[in-house]
Amino acid sequence: EAGVAQSPRYKIIEKRQSVAFWCNPISGHATLYWYQQILGQGPKLLIQFQNNGVVDDSQLPKDRFSAERLKGVDSTLKIQPAKLEDSAVYLCASTRGASGTYNEQFFGPGTRLTVL
Amino acid sequence: DQQVKQNSPSLSVQEGRISILNCDYTNSMFDYFLWYKKYPAEGPTFLISISSIKDKNEDGRFTVFLNKSAKHLSLHIVPSQPGDSAVYFCAASNTNAGKSTFGDGTTLTVKP
Repeated sequence: EAGVAQSPRYKIIEKRQSVAFWCNPISGHATLYWYQQILGQGPKLLIQFQNNGVVDDSQLPKDRFSAERLKGVDSTLKIQPAKLEDSAVYLCASTRGASGTYNEQFFGPGTRLTVL
Repeated sequence: DQQVKQNSPSLSVQEGRISILNCDYTNSMFDYFLWYKKYPAEGPTFLISISSIKDKNEDGRFTVFLNKSAKHLSLHIVPSQPGDSAVYFCAASNTNAGKSTFGDGTTLTVKP
């Protein structure tokens, strides 16, 4: 089975510019997560979707970050405008089941964002 | 307030010896724990997990131990192999919430 796909793999932008990341989870996976991983730290959850609904976006900086999963399949994460501190790897992950079940997460390769 | 802590940023062991990676947590609501392995330029991949109703889970060379009273878990790799060199993340979750909180990782280097 194909893994979680993410694009682009790398992105360099200047501060105050906008950027968007795309994720296609494993086919049939109901739950999708976006994480931010700053160098030297573990992944930090930004938003969790179950199908096309938001389960948890408590850690998403909503003044500049937005995410959607319109048809319950692929998802986009947007940053507008970007700040220097947004430089990080953005990881997308998915799980087979719904929230509340024991499911390991399958991660994509990530998008490395550099904000200059 | 970091709820999951991996206090050793790095660990170096000789091939064939045991690697022990440690993880501490503070939230008593966590009831499921996972270890992920991450190679450079790749996303983390699931390695092994343990439910809070158990104190040990084994899968081949990998064993995870859970001490609930101490809020501590450890990952044992025996014997260690050079291909095990990677960053290992500990993650803890509450089943009802369905999300995981990650530690900052331990970089394991296995020397031939």
